[in-house]
Amino acid sequence: NAGVMQNPRHLVRRRGQEARLRCSPMKGHSHVYWYRQLPEEGLKFMVYLQKENIIDESGMPKERFSAEFPKEGPSILRIQQVVRGDSAAYFCASSRLAGDYTGELFFGEGSRLTVL
Amino acid sequence: AQKITQTQPGMFVQEKEAVTLDCTYDTSDPSYGLFWYKQPSSGEMIFLIYQGSYDQQNATEGRYSLNFQKARKSANLVISASQLGDSAMYFCAMREGRGTGGFKTIFGAGTRLFVKA
Repeated sequence: NAGVMQNPRHLVRRRGQEARLRCSPMKGHSHVYWYRQLPEEGLKFMVYLQKENIIDESGMPKERFSAEFPKEGPSILRIQQVVRGDSAAYFCASSRLAGDYTGELFFGEGSRLTVL
Repeated sequence: AQKITQTQPGMFVQEKEAVTLDCTYDTSDPSYGLFWYKQPSSGEMIFLIYQGSYDQQNATEGRYSLNFQKARKSANLVISASQLGDSAMYFCAMREGRGTGGFKTIFGAGTRLFVKA
């Protein structure tokens, strides 16, 4: 499967625990985006990364949330001390180099976080 | 700042008829891209169609066409010959140009389309 891979697909955490969501972009893609989707709402931009660099994190909450995209391995979205309001679907998307004409995003199937 | 507006929370259409889903945008960047994505009840995001800000003609992909009116900053999606499988959420999205900010893409709130048999 050469698509964007996200795992876990479903994650249940209790309040105060940590959640780690992983995303492997499509082969040849060096840009990764994270979006959050609350039930019956649209996708809210969180962060945009290239390898080893955060390009735009204007949508990330100031506390408890962090993201990385290391030189080797998947991108990680980390949520510390989760609260019930963090329950949502978290989508990862990737795109090719900046020279790509359209900048089309290719999405993973999402990781659904439930905080009890 | 970027902004995408979808004013129709829900739309109904009769099977085999055409439907237009509205989208307006706001950006100060002369170079941008507009996208439509479909999200069925299963949850995945499916790319439908793309329109570049410098494209002279409206984009078409099978039964999907994008009615691009640049001066009005609108990018409406037209689905012709609706099918039951078209029932889904539809999101309009915009990507600004190739500055140092790269390809940040933002999404509208979505329109839920119901196709009636």
